[in-house]
Parts: sequence; structure tokens; C-alpha cells
Amino acid sequence: AQSVTQLDSQVPVFEEAPVELRCNYSSSVSVYLFWYVQYPNQGLQLLLKYLSGSTLVKGINGFEAEFNKSQTSFHLRKPSVHISDTAEYFCALTGGSYIPTFGRGTSLIVHP
Amino acid sequence: DSGVTQTPKHLITATGQRVTLRCSPRSGDLSVYWYQQSLDQGLQFLIQYYNGEERAKGNILERFSAQQFPDLHSELNLSSLELGDSALYFCASSVDSGDSPLHFGNGTRLTVT
Repeated sequence: AQSVTQLDSQVPVFEEAPVELRCNYSSSVSVYLFWYVQYPNQGLQLLLKYLSGSTLVKGINGFEAEFNKSQTSFHLRKPSVHISDTAEYFCALTGGSYIPTFGRGTSLIVHP
Repeated sequence: DSGVTQTPKHLITATGQRVTLRCSPRSGDLSVYWYQQSLDQGLQFLIQYYNGEERAKGNILERFSAQQFPDLHSELNLSSLELGDSALYFCASSVDSGDSPLHFGNGTRLTVT
């Protein structure tokens, strides 16, 4: 079985501050890892993905994530957030079944 | 715009009723997934279809069923509705390989009263 744990349900941060959203996973097989963002009243959209190769992956809107196999983590980071980054962020993985498993989500709240 | 279209956007219905949610996948995508999103359960995988055939089942209740038609659009049927079925239902599509991301529609918000 595979699972994704997002350790923080809510992360408040001030505008222009750095942020890290944490994601840990469990799988008995090799995985592909994804981060999605969901803005209010919209569906999820892809931020970035890790398939193989370099463990640091860059995505849209200045986000990046680092794959750490030994820690089974895939944390999302941004060096300076904007008000417009306020949204729900989901970590997801696909393993042997090719059915994406999602974490519970982290609500990023950016204060002015 | 993800290219995935879901209708209707909102549905309000009474307990015991039956509803149908519709999804048109992104052009070229053969795989369609249905997810249920609720505050207490998060994003739960319901079912996947690939090129008209059921591929995988998740936490889908027996009162729920789905199908994918020859033109690749999909429908999710929810019957004998209960208050607890109130949720946001998402359809997503992909080219169906593990390294391909999902493309989500904007969802159908179902409210059962």
C-alpha cells in the first residue's frame, strides 16, 4: 500500500517570507511524486513533478521541491511568497498501481 | 484551462434521489478518474476508466456507478443519496502512465438536503 502524509493542515506566513510545505510518503515500490495547487472554486493544477534524475525540481510560480529518498520526503518550498499563493496544496504519488494517492492537503495562508 | 469539463457546477438534491455527473476529458486523454473531496476525508479516489473500460476501483460505494462512453466522456451516477454524500466531485484525465500528471476539472459541488 502507498500513502502520503502532509504534516501541516495549515501554514500561515507573511508576504515575502519563505515557506516550506512538508510531505512524507510511504511506498514499497519506486514512486513518481507530484505537487498540485487548488485555488478556491477550482480544480487541482500541477505545480511540479519528480520522475527521476535531479532531486531538486522546479515548478511554476517560483515553487521548487526536493526529493529525499532516505527521508521519504518531498517538501515544497518557495523563497518569497505572495498573497496570490494563498491556496490549498496537495502532495501526491503514483506507485505500482498508477493510481495517484493524494495527501490531505495543506492550506497556505499568506498575510499582508 | 485544464481542458477537462465537468457539468453541472452545482447540484442540490434531496436524500434518496439519484443524480448524474458528467465529465469530458482533455483532448487525447484516454484515462478518466473520479475523486470525491470532502472536509473530513480529503481527496478520495473513486474509480478509473481507460478507453471505455473500468481500470481500477477505489473507495466507491455500491450506490455509485460510473461509465465511460465511446467518445470518452464519462458519467458518475450517484443513487439513494444520503446527507453524507454531500461533497465536491472531481473528474480528472491523463494519458495513463504513472509519470503523467492528472488534469482536473473544476468539480461538481453536490449538496444533499
